[in-house]
Amino acid sequence: RKEVEQDPGPFNVPEGATVAFNCTYSNSASQSFFWYRQDCRKEPKLLMSVYSSGNEDGRFTAQLNRASQYISLLIRDSKLSDSATYLCVVSTDGGFNKFYFGSGTKLNVKP
Amino acid sequence: DADVTQTPRNRITKTGKRIMLECSQTKGHDRMYWYRQDPGLGLRLIYYSFDVKDINKGEISDGYSVSRQAQAKFSLSLESAIPNQTALYFCATSGGPGEQYFGPGTRLTVT
Repeated sequence: RKEVEQDPGPFNVPEGATVAFNCTYSNSASQSFFWYRQDCRKEPKLLMSVYSSGNEDGRFTAQLNRASQYISLLIRDSKLSDSATYLCVVSTDGGFNKFYFGSGTKLNVKP
Repeated sequence: DADVTQTPRNRITKTGKRIMLECSQTKGHDRMYWYRQDPGLGLRLIYYSFDVKDINKGEISDGYSVSRQAQAKFSLSLESAIPNQTALYFCATSGGPGEQYFGPGTRLTVT
């Protein structure tokens, strides 16, 4: 069983749409959670950390549900530039040493 | 200049050849990582290092070895390359909980 599972997509949405991705993790001892963004053939880059109380950064909102072991990312008012693959990342040691990456969810925002 | 650099960026090699991938960073981080990325599988951790004296195996270390020559340099070797080691390889550094900085990747093809 994979440590982190994501729907691979692609999610095809029009500009201005709201889109949500979910991610589930298998290790209940996981402590830290993140969303990374990866553009085609480029390196992953941190989008945002996910806090227990949920957190927002502009058009992006991340939520954590520890009881159900899933993480979500909501993107409001999608832009063409949001087109990328979104990686869910989990750490079992507070984010210091070992990170487990999901295989990513691809988002295509269309004009 | 990029904070994390990888050489070579692309490499084609034959089965059985020894190959070394190099990573350098100017971020001053102690933690460095090597990952491979395969379609549908996400990034998987090969090795990680806390400092020059500390090397740890990740989830898929078989067939690979590493060397931490200095705080800024972390090399990955394939002693005898095989076709299923064809993948995109990323080096990353981390200076604190959660955020990893990735190099641009090395696309390796083993024929």
